[in-house]
Amino acid sequence: KQEVTQIPAALSVPEGENLVLNCSFTDSAIYNLQWFRQDPGKGLTSLLLIQSSQREQTSGRLNASLDKSSGRSTLYIAASQPGDSATYLCAAVPTGANSKLTFGKGITLSVRP
Amino acid sequence: GAGVSQTPSNKVTEKGKYVELRCDPISGHTALYWYRQSLGQGPEFLIYFQGTGAADDSGLPNDRFFAVRPEGSVSTLKIQRTERGDSAVYLCASSFNRVRYTFGSGTRLTVV
Repeated sequence: KQEVTQIPAALSVPEGENLVLNCSFTDSAIYNLQWFRQDPGKGLTSLLLIQSSQREQTSGRLNASLDKSSGRSTLYIAASQPGDSATYLCAAVPTGANSKLTFGKGITLSVRP
Repeated sequence: GAGVSQTPSNKVTEKGKYVELRCDPISGHTALYWYRQSLGQGPEFLIYFQGTGAADDSGLPNDRFFAVRPEGSVSTLKIQRTERGDSAVYLCASSFNRVRYTFGSGTRLTVV
């Protein structure tokens, strides 16, 4: 059974700092790994998706990497802004027919002005 | 529609009552997923549909929970004899081809 872990649960940084959010997973048989953002009281917004054959994906100030062999993914946020404050969740999609996402508990990020 | 629509956005019910939560996915998305999210936790998988059939219902906590998707589009999550522990945000998502997953804004269920 896939287990996804995100540590720490919360992070507070000053504006402008570059930061890395970590995600680990126990089963390397993944189809892809996805990062989502969740604002308070809202649903999830897709940020980045990395296919199992890829090593990284970039979108603006965000860069996500994937190391299947070690069961790790990281989300790098450059030059953080107060508007980046939210909860960031990673989720794994397994190989095979089942397409359900398995989520970590998320990291709540606060960027201080 | 343009996104995944969930109704109602908020539902307060008394313990022991029956509730139905509705999800209207993106048109053409064959897969539909239900998750439950408690405060400070990540979404917990409940059930997913591929077309009209439940492809994986291993996350349903007990037989009070049931979901249907009779025409392969709209889905309803049904909870019988609600308990206070059922209080959570229920999220629905749809996907085509296991790539982009689009989530609705959720239904906040409060059992009093």
